Amino acid sequence: EAQVTQNPRYLITVTGKKLTVTCSQNMNHEYMSWYRQDPGLGLRQIYYSMNVEVTDKGDVPEGYKVSRKEKRNFPLILESPSPNQTSLYFCASSLRGGRYFRNEQYFGPGTRLTVT
Amino acid sequence: SQQGEEDPQALSIQEGENATMNCSYKTSINNLQWYRQNSGRGLVHLILIRSNEREKHSGRLRVTLDTSKKSSSLLITASRAADTASYFCATGLSGGYQKVTFGIGTKLQVIP
Repeated sequence: EAQVTQNPRYLITVTGKKLTVTCSQNMNHEYMSWYRQDPGLGLRQIYYSMNVEVTDKGDVPEGYKVSRKEKRNFPLILESPSPNQTSLYFCASSLRGGRYFRNEQYFGPGTRLTVT
Repeated sequence: SQQGEEDPQALSIQEGENATMNCSYKTSINNLQWYRQNSGRGLVHLILIRSNEREKHSGRLRVTLDTSKKSSSLLITASRAADTASYFCATGLSGGYQKVTFGIGTKLQVIP
């Protein structure tokens, strides 16, 4: 089954404790992206990756890191989480990114993160 | 800043009625997509409309795009209780950008 998986689905952690949220897709997609969703703010893009070893900042990259060493995986790293990073996080992938934005994105189920 | 702004932010209608949601954006775009999200779950792609198209249909969905007004609308006809969800527009900026911007969404409630 074609899908995007994220782990963990729920996470409660404390300020400053490094964490990684994993994202994996099995569709051989080139483009992958991370979003956070907050009430009243919609989805905001954190980082995206056009392909292996090619990543770039979205609209809200501060406090996050990503890497794309393999095509299928795109982990999101919070080196020192803070309470303002409490949010619902989504990973998404699409066949390609690019200027024409013509490929639909497939979303993972989400990771609900609470930082105390 | 938010590229896409949906209007209204919340909409409640009776089953069988039509639901119209609007999306406005600020800069030139290539294409625009609409997504649906059931409560707290991942988004699901509904429809894509290209910047050179004015209208597109898919089942009970009708999407329009007015690039001169920088706006799009999503019409769901003959709504069903199962259409209850949040709906988002998403834009990719023209000029070779790979950033994707989502609006804040319209929360639709269809009352049986």
